[in-house]
Amino acid sequence: EVQLLESGGDLVQPGGSLRLSCVASGFTFSSYAMNWVRQAPGKGLEWVSSISSSGGDTYYADSVKGRFTISRDNSKNTLFLQLNSLRVEDTAVYYCVKDWSIWFGVTWGQGTLVTVSS
Amino acid sequence: DIVMTQTPLPSPVTLGQPASISCRSSESLVHSGGDTYLNWLQQRPGQPPRLLIYKISNRFSGVPDRFSGSGAGTDFTLKISRVEPEDVGIYYCAQATQFPLTFGGGTKLEIK
Repeated sequence: EVQLLESGGDLVQPGGSLRLSCVASGFTFSSYAMNWVRQAPGKGLEWVSSISSSGGDTYYADSVKGRFTISRDNSKNTLFLQLNSLRVEDTAVYYCVKDWSIWFGVTWGQGTLVTVSS
Repeated sequence: DIVMTQTPLPSPVTLGQPASISCRSSESLVHSGGDTYLNWLQQRPGQPPRLLIYKISNRFSGVPDRFSGSGAGTDFTLKISRVEPEDVGIYYCAQATQFPLTFGGGTKLEIK
């Protein structure tokens, strides 16, 4: 069974940092692009970042560019998102999402909550 | 950036009746390779989203055949032939043709 399990969400002050992780199982992780998508409380879905299967190509939403960094460790089947210079508006559930192009959204994790507040 | 616009449903929808959700993109979603990367997602209350339809009209594994997708270019539709209680939730269209990937604002389905 394909599974994605996020962790690392927490309450952090504005300007702080967090590192989110997503452990994948049930598929050959190194063969698939991966994404982070977030959802602010009571709001819709917002794409945050994507990374190619090798990690050589990365993409970011303008709202997080320069503050967030996506990476992966294919030897550990793990996707990461480093969140720096956090803002109140970054408060959201962050989902790990498998694949892009035709299969964008094929599998989602349960999400991890990031709360940015003083 | 491609803007995805969804129309609201005349809420609520009567159980067993059809429902149709529209999604319009600000530019064509046809990829240079010829495919159109338009997907539909369902988010039930308290759950993460799940994929319903990929590439405009292809039902994902396990999705009931009362769900269907259609459209081309910039105009797309998700149809539910007969609404069931488990269909309550928010439906999103999403384009993966170009970065930044973008979602519609979501359409809430309520049933009476």
